[in-house]
Amino acid sequence: EDKVVQSPLSLVVHEGDTVTLNCSYEVTNFRSLLWYKQEKKAPTFLFMLTSSGIEKKSGRLSSILDKKELFSILNITATQTGDSAIYLCAVYRNDYKLSFGAGTTVTVRA
Amino acid sequence: NAGVTQTPKFQVLKTGQSMTLQCAQDMNHNSMYWYRQDPGMGLRLIYYSASEGTTDKGEVPNGYNVSRLNKREFSLRLESAAPSQTSVYFCASSRTYNEQFFGPGTRLTVL
Repeated sequence: EDKVVQSPLSLVVHEGDTVTLNCSYEVTNFRSLLWYKQEKKAPTFLFMLTSSGIEKKSGRLSSILDKKELFSILNITATQTGDSAIYLCAVYRNDYKLSFGAGTTVTVRA
Repeated sequence: NAGVTQTPKFQVLKTGQSMTLQCAQDMNHNSMYWYRQDPGMGLRLIYYSASEGTTDKGEVPNGYNVSRLNKREFSLRLESAAPSQTSVYFCASSRTYNEQFFGPGTRLTVL
């Protein structure tokens, strides 16, 4: 059975801290890994990763994939209260299915 | 350009009642998906349609049926609602194997 496991389940940080979120997967016919941010409404897309070792960046967020060790990390630097959200990791298989992890809840305190 | 729209936004049903959740996208996407989200469980795939004319089961299809009416519309039907189907339902669409765009969700309560 496919597994997408995120850790930690939740964390609380102060503004300005750096956060590292983990996503490990055991998925047959892996195609790509995606990260989403969810703030009390629909998830919004952050990154899609298909190749190992190539970092993707968007402002203070960055992510990288390791296809040998089957994991990805999402980093958030200089956190702000607006970064408070649930961060979801998801994996595409070659049969079009997208499997999500349970998410990591990040709370950033002022 | 509305993206992905869902109706209704909220619904309360009694056990045994039926209803259809509607989803439409205006981005000319091939693939459409239905998910449910429960606390602490992320999103779980109910059914998906990789392209117009095809539908397939996801992780949790029991108690649901779907119809891909055309390229734009993908509906989810609960034939006999149960309390275990109380959840938030999201529809999503994408170009094949690309980022999925999500609708605003439907909050369903089954009493």
